[in-house]
Amino acid sequence: EAQVTQNPRYLITVTGKKLTVTCSQNMNHEYMSWYRQDPGLGLRQIYYSMNVEVTDKGDVPEGYKVSRKEKRNFPLILESPSPNQTSLYFCASSVGFLGYTFGSGTRLTVV
Amino acid sequence: GQSLEQPSEVTAVEGAIVQINCTYQTSGFYGLSWYQQHDGGAPTFLSYNALDGLEETGRFSSFLSRSDSYGYLLLQELQMKDSASYFCASYTGGGNKLTFGTGTQLKVEL
Repeated sequence: EAQVTQNPRYLITVTGKKLTVTCSQNMNHEYMSWYRQDPGLGLRQIYYSMNVEVTDKGDVPEGYKVSRKEKRNFPLILESPSPNQTSLYFCASSVGFLGYTFGSGTRLTVV
Repeated sequence: GQSLEQPSEVTAVEGAIVQINCTYQTSGFYGLSWYQQHDGGAPTFLSYNALDGLEETGRFSSFLSRSDSYGYLLLQELQMKDSASYFCASYTGGGNKLTFGTGTQLKVEL
């Protein structure tokens, strides 16, 4: 089944403790992206990647890192999480303009 | 910067037709997409318009006017399961950058 898999689905962590949210897709898509969703703000792009080793900042990249060492994986790294990074995160992939396929989301709480 | 404006909420009755509007201000505009998201779920792709005009996919249609920086999603024969949030999103630049509007919550009533 074609899908984007994110892990974990839920995560509660403490301020400053480094964490990684994994994202993997099995559709051989070139484009991958991370979004965060907050009430009233819609989905805001954090980082995106056009292909292996090619990444670029989205609209809200501060406090996040990404890497794209393999085509299928695009992990999101929070080096020192803060409470304002509490959010619902989505990873997505696409082959072009035909539309992104989203993962099921990761609900992160930073206390 | 990029910005897309949508109404925050729309209510309609089952069986009716509803139109969700989206106006955008973007540079390097490629096209407009629409996504559906049910509560707690992942957004799912509905449609994409690169050129002016109407695209029809079953009960859903999407329209784009590049000269007016305007698009809309038309939902026909509304069903209760259509109750969800709907987002317009603009593609810009060569990097497949996708910027979303703040979303419209559609409530379908009996």
